[in-house]
Amino acid sequence: EPEVTQTPSHQVTQMGQEVILRCVPISNHLYFYWYRQILGQKVEFLVSFYNNEISEKSEIFDDQFSVERPDGSNFTLKIRSTKLEDSAMYFCASSEEEGGSYEQYFGPGTRLTVT
Amino acid sequence: AQKVTQAQTEISVVEKEDVTLDCVYETRDTTYYLFWYKQPPSGELVFLIRRNSFDEQNEISGRYSWNFQKSTSSFNFTITASQVVDSAVYFCALSEANYGGATNKLIFGTGTLLAVQP
Repeated sequence: EPEVTQTPSHQVTQMGQEVILRCVPISNHLYFYWYRQILGQKVEFLVSFYNNEISEKSEIFDDQFSVERPDGSNFTLKIRSTKLEDSAMYFCASSEEEGGSYEQYFGPGTRLTVT
Repeated sequence: AQKVTQAQTEISVVEKEDVTLDCVYETRDTTYYLFWYKQPPSGELVFLIRRNSFDEQNEISGRYSWNFQKSTSSFNFTITASQVVDSAVYFCALSEANYGGATNKLIFGTGTLLAVQP
């Protein structure tokens, strides 16, 4: 069964450093998402991506964040200068359809720890 | 504005008990989708069910059942004869239908931690 994969599973970085979180969505999916979950809290939407551009972003997704689909398979989230409060689990998701009946498939997540 | 409320932060039951997880949502749209996800201790998000706003039929899948009531804006989830493996955080989520290429973000509730004791 196809699945969304994410690397690395755990990333530790120092405050102020840049990090890139990588995701490989399901191959025939067209819509891509990043969500964040601070430990013990709910899952929060960050950004959605379609047709090589951002479709929607939340207030959390400020100028420190960027997304890219550098090739036909990877989907990346970059945080330019990490802050302590960026420590969270980051989930990538993808879906096949638009507007109507669809399902977002989530990857296993990358735990980011900023020290 | 979209909002999902899961008032139960934590529920503890003994194995074989039935348990119902509550979910109340707010949306101005007439077309929307409701979801339940399970997050076991390992951390991944596991899709359980999707429901669209036009389908109020209750659904049963094995030990799981869902009760969708538009009149009360609720989408409750019941586990029958709970098992220790059901221990997890359960999230209810809402998405509004957008057409024309726009994507549909999921708005999650705060989750309910279910602990099933042996």
